Amino acid sequence: GEDVEQSLFLSVREGDSSVINCTYTDSSSTYLYWYKQEPGAGLQLLTYIFSNMDMKQDQRLTVLLNKKDKHLSLRIADTQTGDSAIYFCAVRAGNNRKLIWGLGTSLAVNP
Amino acid sequence: NAGVTQTPKFQVLKTGQSMTLQCAQDMNHEYMSWYRQDPGMGLRLIHYSVGAGITDQGEVPNGYNVSRSTTEDFPLRLLSAAPSQTSVYFCASSYSLEYNEQFFGPGTRLTVL
Repeated sequence: GEDVEQSLFLSVREGDSSVINCTYTDSSSTYLYWYKQEPGAGLQLLTYIFSNMDMKQDQRLTVLLNKKDKHLSLRIADTQTGDSAIYFCAVRAGNNRKLIWGLGTSLAVNP
Repeated sequence: NAGVTQTPKFQVLKTGQSMTLQCAQDMNHEYMSWYRQDPGMGLRLIHYSVGAGITDQGEVPNGYNVSRSTTEDFPLRLLSAAPSQTSVYFCASSYSLEYNEQFFGPGTRLTVL
């Protein structure tokens, strides 16, 4: 069935770039999303990319999509302590429009 | 706009008790959903609704009921709470099923003893 996988943990130093990776199985996926969850809060949409795009940039965020390898990444430039959170990759399946969620990557930013 | 609101924020139940988790949104969104979040399991869809009077099951619906009598409200009912239902519950809404952004509530942390 459809699946989305992410590494569970990432630790970076403040000021470095963070790269969070996601792989998915459904080649007919249409939209791919990155959500952020801060401690004790709900999820918030960070950015998304349509499947006919390779890259999307939004201030410190860069999303790269490799459709051939079914690989999505989120790069956060100049990572700050306020970026410490769990980042979820989610993919909208092409056929049934269902949203498939990864387990989330916990990003720790060390001063 | 208040966005998506959920009450209560925390709840402790005994096994067998029933309760309703409340969810409301003031954005006139058609699509609303309930998720549970458990460590190592990510987000799992419980039930969803594509409009008033229309609900459907997600991937883990057993033990939960929903109804959607108005566009604004989408309560989740636990009929007979079990320890396996200890979790954090999130309500989310979006303009439509296909719309890009889902707006999440702050969550309800439920413990069943």
